[in-house]
Amino acid sequence: KQEVTQIPAALSVPEGENLVLNCSFTDSAIYNLQWFRQDPGKGLTSLLLIQSSQREQTSGRLNASLDKSSGRSTLYIAASQPGDSATYLCAVRKSRTASKLTFGTGTRLQVTL
Amino acid sequence: DTEVTQTPKHLVMGMTNKKSLKCEQHMGHRAMYWYKQKAKKPPELMFVYSYEKLSINESVPSRFSPECPNSSLLNLHLHALQPEDSALYLCASSQYGQIEGTEAFFGQGTRLTVV
Repeated sequence: KQEVTQIPAALSVPEGENLVLNCSFTDSAIYNLQWFRQDPGKGLTSLLLIQSSQREQTSGRLNASLDKSSGRSTLYIAASQPGDSATYLCAVRKSRTASKLTFGTGTRLQVTL
Repeated sequence: DTEVTQTPKHLVMGMTNKKSLKCEQHMGHRAMYWYKQKAKKPPELMFVYSYEKLSINESVPSRFSPECPNSSLLNLHLHALQPEDSALYLCASSQYGQIEGTEAFFGQGTRLTVV
């Protein structure tokens, strides 16, 4: 059974810092991995999708990397802003035809002024 | 347009009520999902519809009844719920199967409170 863990569970940083969020999964046989952000009481916003054949994806100040063999992904946020404060979730999909996403435990990020 | 629209945003219902949650997408996605999320926990999969057919039921109690009337709409019918069913209910959609990517898009959720 796939288990996905995110460390740290919570993080508080001052504005402007670069930061790294971690996602670990126990079964390396994945099809893709997706990073989401969730504001309190709201839905999930897709940030980046990285296929198992890719090493990284970038969107603006965000960069996600994937090391499938070691079961790890990182989300790098450059020059953090208060508007980045949210919970960040990673989720893995087992195969192309698999419907289920297995979510990580989430990291609650607070960026302070 | 990468939008998944859920209605209502908030719902308060008694344990004897019948209500429905609605979800709509116009991205041509043929897989649609219901997730349940409790506070400070990750979303948990409830149901998956693929090509309008129920393909996954994660052992959800029968007081939750999903329906997919067409490729753009997904409903969740609620009846005789318990207070512990109070949660954020999220709808999602994605391409299915053979198409590269299968990025999932989520709606803003329905905050359900059972009293």
